[in-house]
Amino acid sequence: GENVEQHPSTLSVQEGDSAVIKCTYSDSASNYFPWYKQELGKRPQLIIDIRSNVGEKKDQRIAVTLNKTAKHFSLHITETQPEDSAVYFCAASTSGTYKYIFGTGTRLKVLA
Amino acid sequence: NAGVTQTPKFQVLKTGQSMTLQCAQDMNHNSMYWYRQDPGMGLRLIYYSASEGTTDKGEVPNGYNVSRLNKREFSLRLESAAPSQTSVYFCASSGAGNHEQYFGPGTRLTVT
Repeated sequence: GENVEQHPSTLSVQEGDSAVIKCTYSDSASNYFPWYKQELGKRPQLIIDIRSNVGEKKDQRIAVTLNKTAKHFSLHITETQPEDSAVYFCAASTSGTYKYIFGTGTRLKVLA
Repeated sequence: NAGVTQTPKFQVLKTGQSMTLQCAQDMNHNSMYWYRQDPGMGLRLIYYSASEGTTDKGEVPNGYNVSRLNKREFSLRLESAAPSQTSVYFCASSGAGNHEQYFGPGTRLTVT
């Protein structure tokens, strides 16, 4: 079955710096890769996603890149702000299943 | 439009007791999911229901049962609770043709 590995488990950056979180997946059939943000005590919420027919997607300060050959994808946050502090989860999914396999999460701390 | 709702928010059980976690969505979504979230382990799929009338096992189904009562509601039952089931439980739903999953607020369950 699918396995998703996520690194690092914790990440501290200075406000204004960039943050990068990386995930690898094992199943070449996976074709949908969402990223969720979870603030303390809250529910996970989708922040960006990418499908396998696209190599990169941007939404303001957030971008995701996908390398299908290497089976890895990354989340990039630029100009980080204190409100970016949260736990971020990557996931992989295959069309027709709608099941996600999540990574173990990255706790991002943005230091003011 | 409440999205995905869960009851109860908190629950404490003694080992061996049973309980049912309730989940409902008002987005007319076909698919519904139950996850558990444990520290350092991300979100793990317990059971899911791709459509009304169907249910399937996820990654960690042992000790749980589910019922897709109708299109709106998907319940999770613990027949004989164990301390290893202490966790935060999230329900989620997704619509046809769209992989995005919308999460409920979670239920924090403690088994003593």
